Amino acid sequence: EIVMTQSPATLSLSPGERATLSCRASQSVNSYLAWYQQKPGQAPSLLIFDASNRATGIPARFSGSGSGTDFTLTISSLEPEDFAVYYCQHRRNWPLTFGGGTKVEIK
Amino acid sequence: EVELVESGGGLVQPGGSLRLSCAASGFSFSSYAMSWVRQAPGKGLEWVATLSGSDSRTYYADSVKGRFSISRDNSKNTLYLQMDTLRAEDTAVYHCAKAMTTVIFSLFDYWGQGTLVAVSS
Repeated sequence: EIVMTQSPATLSLSPGERATLSCRASQSVNSYLAWYQQKPGQAPSLLIFDASNRATGIPARFSGSGSGTDFTLTISSLEPEDFAVYYCQHRRNWPLTFGGGTKVEIK
Repeated sequence: EVELVESGGGLVQPGGSLRLSCAASGFSFSSYAMSWVRQAPGKGLEWVATLSGSDSRTYYADSVKGRFSISRDNSKNTLYLQMDTLRAEDTAVYHCAKAMTTVIFSLFDYWGQGTLVAVSS
């Protein structure tokens, strides 16, 4: 099983600031890495797939990068609606696994 | 518009059984793999099981293998999760999720709001 580790656990930032979230895989997942956003009381929603491709309707301020074992989700300028929990997930093989999440909170 | 609505959750004793349902609409249900992903209270996401669209390939997390069974009725646009021999650690909100494309099973572009399963005596 591939273990996904996200850091930091919590990121305290102000609106307008840049957010950088990290996800590390215990072994290479090539570029088979997705990012999801989950707001309180809501289902997760797909942001980025295959490391750097934005899902339909996702604003350009969200970008993903990385390959192999190290990945980054960047939010260039935080909007009020971006404060949420973010999860990474690999699809390199079965079983699929998620990272533990990074909470982006208002400072 | 894609919609996924789960039902069937509730309180069950350890060792008991429960069957969850997920009613799907707004897309060609039989063409897409469907999955269950759970989230324990205050915790992160855990993939549970995936079922292909038409050829019945199934995939399970080790934590549920042999106890849970995923199935679908394409005539009713409904996904199921039969959960047997339930344990306290199965307590979670169970989401159904749609695969993003007809050939990639393991990316989820639409999720339901979930149904809560609580295992307790």
